[in-house]
Amino acid sequence: DAGVIQSPRHEVTEMGQEVTLRCKPISGHDYLFWYRQTMMRGLELLIYFNNNVPIDDSGMPEDRFSAKMPNASFSTLKIQPSEPRDSAVYFCASSLGGGGWGSGELFFGEGSRLTVL
Amino acid sequence: AQSVAQPEDQVNVAEGNPLTVKCTYSVSGNPYLFWYVQYPNRGLQFLLKYITGDNLVKGSYGFEAEFNKSQTSFHLKKPSALVSDSALYFCAAASRGGGYNKLIFGAGTRLAVHP
Repeated sequence: DAGVIQSPRHEVTEMGQEVTLRCKPISGHDYLFWYRQTMMRGLELLIYFNNNVPIDDSGMPEDRFSAKMPNASFSTLKIQPSEPRDSAVYFCASSLGGGGWGSGELFFGEGSRLTVL
Repeated sequence: AQSVAQPEDQVNVAEGNPLTVKCTYSVSGNPYLFWYVQYPNRGLQFLLKYITGDNLVKGSYGFEAEFNKSQTSFHLKKPSALVSDSALYFCAAASRGGGYNKLIFGAGTRLAVHP
């Protein structure tokens, strides 16, 4: 069974450019999370969705960041315009919550490493 | 404020020796507790969790963790370390009744197992 699939795995872009990261969660999972990992700040939750609806986006750093989940099998995280301080590894994760904590286990993708020059 | 502390940035252990990776938490009420492992250039992988019941939890790859309520700790252990256990380990905690946004990760501990 395929896990969480993220693309691209690596992205190098210049400051000011738009960046779109993509995620396909595990089929049947009802929660989807976007995390950012940096050396300085560790693992930060940016936003999460339940049944395609954004539940908490309080971790989104600023208006330059936006996330969508148009259907149960696809989500995007967009940064526009990008800045060097956005350089990080961005992880998507999904989980089967069943309305509550469920198993409590998050399944992570392999991440998208973003470098903004 | 709720938090998870992993007091050691790195743990070094010889292959075949027991290992312990420490985690303490500050979460209101009885917590959900998790350990995840991250190999280089990979996403985090679930190792084990404590939800309720037996304080000693067994997980993947021979790892186990003990929930100690009085010490608010959830240390990860393995009786005999393997070189392949070398990775970054994350402890995470959440408050019962809280949403997923309340899942708090520690800063991570790098485990280095030497041959």
